[in-house]
This record gives sequence, C-alpha cells and structure tokens, in this order.
Amino acid sequence: SQKIEQNSEALNIQEGKTATLTCNYTNYSPAYLQWYRQDPGRGPVFLLLIRENEKEKRKERLKVTFDTTLKQSLFHITASQPADSATYLCALASTGGFKTIFGAGTRLFVKA
Amino acid sequence: SQTIHQWPATLVQPVGSPLSLECTVEGTSNPNLYWYRQAAGRGLQLLFYSVGIGQISSEVPQNLSASRPQDRQFILSSKKLLLSDSGFYLCAWIIPTGSGNTIYFGEGSWLTVV
Repeated sequence: SQKIEQNSEALNIQEGKTATLTCNYTNYSPAYLQWYRQDPGRGPVFLLLIRENEKEKRKERLKVTFDTTLKQSLFHITASQPADSATYLCALASTGGFKTIFGAGTRLFVKA
Repeated sequence: SQTIHQWPATLVQPVGSPLSLECTVEGTSNPNLYWYRQAAGRGLQLLFYSVGIGQISSEVPQNLSASRPQDRQFILSSKKLLLSDSGFYLCAWIIPTGSGNTIYFGEGSWLTVV
C-alpha cells in the first residue's frame, strides 16, 4: 500500500540555523508533492508544490527538493525563526489530484 | 476570494449519539470537496471526497457518511458515534487543474466522543 514517512521525532534547532525535514514514500509514483504547515488546532496551510519533473523549488526562505529515484523530498527552512515552529506535512498526489495522501508530519521547534 | 467555513468548531458527544458536521465553500464553483480526519499525533486520513452534487466516494469503511446536497456544501454525518470517532475533522476543497492542486482547508472541528 502507499506509504509516506516523515520523521516522527520533533526537530529542535536554534534560531538562524537551517531546518531540514525529510519525506520518504513507497509504492507510489506521484505527479507532484506538496508541503503544508499546520499550527496547533488549525487546518494545514499550503506552502510549496513541486512536480515530478522538477528537482528543486524555492520560495523566500523555503526550499524543496524532489528525488523520484530515491522517492524522497527534503524541505529546508533557512535562517529559521521561532515563528517557523509548527508541524510540517508532506503530501503526494497523482495526476488529476482527486486523492492526496498526507504524511503524519514533523514537529519543528525553533529556539530563540 | 474563496473561503471555506466549517462548523461547529468544537463538540463533545456521547457514544451512540448522532453527528453532523457542515462545510460550505464560497467564491468558487464546482470544487472537489473532501473530509479528512486527524487523530492525535497521526497524519491526515482521507474519509470522503466528492467531485459533484450527490457524488460521494468513501475511502475508509466506518460508521460515518457524507452528503453533498449543493455544489458548495458538504456534510459529514453519523447515526451512532463510537469512541474511535474522536478526532480533528477537516473539510477541504480544490479546483482540479491537472497540473498541481493546492488543497484549501477549513479551520477544523474538534470532536470528542465520551
């Protein structure tokens, strides 16, 4: 069955450092991959989308890589800030995107 | 602009009682609509999705049901709640483009079954 794995352990980093979160998947060939941010008690909010034919995508301090051979995506936040503390979810969808599957998310804590 | 409303935000229900969560979308037409559930410390589980009025696809066998009586209205129901139905329920929508669909989520409904 399709499976998405994100590090279940929280990631603790110091303000100003780069946070790197990992998303691995199996038994799936997604057309695109997305990253969402979720704050406690709130719905997830879209951050970035990267397609299967793209290697890297950037948006301000965010960078996503997508390796379809390794079946892995890395999500980077550079110059991290305490306001970046949240849970980050990886999501995969096939062409058409009727069904998107989500990972369990990784909790990020950025300490001042 | 598009907005999504979901209610109630919080509810505590006894086991065996009925459930109705409602979601409406404004500012768009013919959206795909979704119900997800998120248990504590778990990922988002897709429960139902709908591509049009009266069209419901169920992803997980359970005692929940969904209905779409209008284009921009999606309802999640249960006749008899179980303890395992507790969780954070999220309504969401997309406009399918085939080239990458951003999912827009509502604020969620916290359900505690006691």
